[in-house]
Amino acid sequence: GQQVMQIPQYQHVQEGEDFTTYCNSSTTLSNIQWYKQRPGGHPVFLIQLVKSGEVKKQKRLTFQFGEAKKNSSLHITATQTTDVGTYFCAGVTGTASKLTFGTGTRLQVTL
Amino acid sequence: DGGITQSPKYLFRKEGQNVTLSCEQNLNHDAMYWYRQDPGQGLRLIYYSQIVNDFQKGDIAEGYSVSREKKESFPLTVTSAQKNPTAFYLCASKVQGSLGEQYFGPGTRLTVT
Repeated sequence: GQQVMQIPQYQHVQEGEDFTTYCNSSTTLSNIQWYKQRPGGHPVFLIQLVKSGEVKKQKRLTFQFGEAKKNSSLHITATQTTDVGTYFCAGVTGTASKLTFGTGTRLQVTL
Repeated sequence: DGGITQSPKYLFRKEGQNVTLSCEQNLNHDAMYWYRQDPGQGLRLIYYSQIVNDFQKGDIAEGYSVSREKKESFPLTVTSAQKNPTAFYLCASKVQGSLGEQYFGPGTRLTVT
């Protein structure tokens, strides 16, 4: 079946440093979504990417969808303590209405 | 105030008992989902439903059962056949189709001893 892997599993940064998480799918995706889960909380939607090579920005967050639509990345510039949490990518294949979640990257930010 | 509710937040059961987790949404979404999350792990799909009275198995359906008698409700039963039921269970819903975000409930943490 479809697999979605993320690296790294965990990253610890100092506030102000940049952070990037990478997502790779074993199959071509029709679209990819990103979610953030704070410690003890539930996943919250961040963004959806649909087009090959698409880049979207949300303040300090930059999301990219690869040209082959099999990989994606999330980059956070100048991290803050409010960025702490686990970031998941989630892919959709074809016209399915179900998501396959990546393994997640846990981000810890210290002062 | 629209959203998804899951109850209870914490649930404790003895081994060998079936337990039903509640999920209700008032977002008028057609599709609903159940996920399981283990500590430090990603979300794994248990069951999903795209329309009332219809549902499909996800990746880890063994030991679980669901029903979808109403659009607003999608309860999950964890049966005694589930070998490792202790986990964090998340319910989600979305509009029909391949696009669009999933909205998650606050989750139920089930502990079976």
